[in-house]
Amino acid sequence: EPEVTQTPSHQVTQMGQEVILRCVPISNHLYFYWYRQILGQKVEFLVSFYNNEISEKSEIFDDQFSVERPDGSNFTLKIRSTKLEDSAMYFCASSDQDGSYEQYFGPGTRLTVT
Amino acid sequence: AQTVTQSQPEMSVQEAETVTLSCTYDTSENNYYLFWYKQPPSRQMILVIRQEAYKQQNATENRFSVNFQKAAKSFSLKISDSQLGDTAMYFCAFISSGSYDKVIFGPGTSLSVIP
Repeated sequence: EPEVTQTPSHQVTQMGQEVILRCVPISNHLYFYWYRQILGQKVEFLVSFYNNEISEKSEIFDDQFSVERPDGSNFTLKIRSTKLEDSAMYFCASSDQDGSYEQYFGPGTRLTVT
Repeated sequence: AQTVTQSQPEMSVQEAETVTLSCTYDTSENNYYLFWYKQPPSRQMILVIRQEAYKQQNATENRFSVNFQKAAKSFSLKISDSQLGDTAMYFCAFISSGSYDKVIFGPGTSLSVIP
């Protein structure tokens, strides 16, 4: 069964450093998403992406964040200058245009900013 | 704006017993989808069950079933014959129909199955 994959599973970085989180969505899906879950809190929407552009973003998704689909298979989330409060699980999801609206989630990347 | 509320932060159930997790939501839309996601300690998000708002029949998936009350905006999850592997966080979630935008999650219920 096709699945969304994410790398790395765990990333440790120092405050102020740039990180890139990588996702490979399900191959025929057209919609892509990033969500964040701070430990012990609920899952929060960051951004959705369709047709090579952002379709919606939350207030969390400020100028330090960016997304890209560089090669037709990967979908990346870049955090330019990480802060301690960026420590969280980051989930990638993708969705097909089949009317089910179901989003398939990857296993997540645990980002730890020290 | 849509919101999802789960009023039970933590619950426990004896193995083989039945447990019901509550969820309410607020929306002005008539068509939408509701989901229950399971997040075990591995933190992977796993879809448990889904319900289309236009369907009156409650969804079932093996030991998992929902009680969908559209007028009351209530969407509870019933787990029958609870198993140790059911121990996880459970998130109720909402998405607008006709939209490929964000899933809105509730705060979650931590379920512990006791042997």
